[in-house]
Amino acid sequence: NAGVTQTPKFRILKIGQSMTLQCTQDMNHNYMYWYRQDPGMGLKLIYYSVGAGITDKGEVPNGYNVSRSTTEDFPLRLELAAPSQTSVYFCASKISGGAGNEQFFGPGTRLTVL
Amino acid sequence: RKEVEQDPGPFNVPEGATVAFNCTYSNSASQSFFWYRQDCRKEPKLLMSVYSSGNEDGRFTAQLNRASQYISLLIRDSKLSDSATYLCVVNSPYSGGGADGLTFGKGTHLIIQP
Repeated sequence: NAGVTQTPKFRILKIGQSMTLQCTQDMNHNYMYWYRQDPGMGLKLIYYSVGAGITDKGEVPNGYNVSRSTTEDFPLRLELAAPSQTSVYFCASKISGGAGNEQFFGPGTRLTVL
Repeated sequence: RKEVEQDPGPFNVPEGATVAFNCTYSNSASQSFFWYRQDCRKEPKLLMSVYSSGNEDGRFTAQLNRASQYISLLIRDSKLSDSATYLCVVNSPYSGGGADGLTFGKGTHLIIQP
C-alpha cells in the first residue's frame, strides 16, 4: 500500500491564482481530512469527510473547497489564493469513526503564495 | 483559549539521558489522547496512544492524569534518532474540530546531542 499520497510536493502561487491539492489513499479508509500547519503552530482542520459524497467544515474552512466523489480521493481547492494561505497542507485518513483510531498522514504540500 | 498546551522547547538533552514532556488540555470531556512524532519537514506519525492506566512501548512511557488534565511522555535512554517534534493530540468532543474533534498541540521540539 502506498498509504496517503499528496501532489504536488511544492507549489508557488501568485495572489489570486487558483489550484487544487490532490490527496489519494489506497487503504479503503472512510474518513479523510485536510489540515494546514503554519510555522510553529499546531495543525488546524480545514475540511473533513466521513465518506464519499459527504464533506463538512473544520476549524478554518474559509478560502477552501473540497469534494469527495470517491472513497480514495479528497482534493482541496484554493480559489483566489492569498498570502495568508501560505502553509504546509497535510491530508490524512483513517478507517472509520471512533476517536481512538489512528489518522495516517500524507507527506504534505508546501504552498507559498506571493 | 488554548485547548492543548505544550512547552515548545527546544529541549536539548544528551544522548542516553531521560527526558519528559507534559501537555495540558482544557476539555474535560476529552476521551482519547495521543502522542505524534513529527520530523523536520515531514508529516506527523503516531508514536503512541495514551491510555488511562498508562502505557509503555519500549523506551517510551505515556501517562494520563484526568483529574489534572495532563498527559506526559517519558523517553528513556534517548537516542540521536529521537530528535523530533512531539505533538500532543487530544480528542475534544463538540469543539467543532471535525468528525473526531482532534486538537493538536503546537509541539515540543527535542534535540538529542551526542
